[in-house]
Amino acid sequence: QKEVEQDPGPLSVPEGAIVSLNCTYSNSAFQYFMWYRQYSRKGPELLMYTYSSGNKEDGRFTAQVDKSSKYISLFIRDSQPSDSATYLCAMMWSGDDKIIFGKGTRLHILP
Amino acid sequence: DSGVTQTPKHLITATGQRVTLRCSPRSGDLSVYWYQQSLDQGLQFLIQYYNGEERAKGNILERFSAQQFPDLHSELNLSSLELGDSALYFCASSEGGQGIREQFFGPGTRLTVL
Repeated sequence: QKEVEQDPGPLSVPEGAIVSLNCTYSNSAFQYFMWYRQYSRKGPELLMYTYSSGNKEDGRFTAQVDKSSKYISLFIRDSQPSDSATYLCAMMWSGDDKIIFGKGTRLHILP
Repeated sequence: DSGVTQTPKHLITATGQRVTLRCSPRSGDLSVYWYQQSLDQGLQFLIQYYNGEERAKGNILERFSAQQFPDLHSELNLSSLELGDSALYFCASSEGGQGIREQFFGPGTRLTVL
C-alpha cells in the first residue's frame, strides 16, 4: 500500500462549479498536510497547509483533514479556468523535512 | 517566479552517460531538496542538504549523488543513465532550521535518456 493515494483524474468540471479533490494516507504519524498546485511545465507551488485535523479556508480554497479516517480534501469554490492544473496532496511528520507527495489529480475547468 | 533557478531546462543524453543538474536556491535559503517526477512514481523526494551537509535521504539511487557548495548552490549528478531515469528533476529550497518551512520549487530540468 502506497503511503499516499490520490486519484490521477483527469477531472473536468464546468466553470463556477465546486471542485472536491481528495487523498487518503496510511501513515498515522503524518501531522502536516499540504496541497500544491502545479501548472504545466512549472514547479509545484504551495497552496495551503494545515496542522493536524480540522478545516482551513483561504479565499475560494478550503482544506479539510480527518485524521481518524486518514483522509484529506481540498475544495475549490467558484472554480475558474485559471484553476486548471495538477493538484498534489502532500504530507510530513514533525521533525522531518521530507515531504511525501500524492501522484496528483489533473483538473480541467471548462469555460 | 519562486526565486529558485535550475539549469539546464532540458537535457537529452544517451544511456550510460553522466549528467549534472544545477540548482541555485532563493536568497537566504539554507536548505536544498532534490525531487524526481515521473508519470509512474509521481514526485519523489531524493535528497536534502542543509548549509552544505546532507540532512535527509529519500529514494535516491546509488548512481545518483548530490552536493551543496559553500555558496549554497547544489548539483545533482546522475551517472550510468538508464532509460528509466528520464523524468523531471526539481530542486526546492527553504530557510531550513527547526520546524516546518515552506519549500519553494524551481522550474525543473527535463531529462530525456535515449
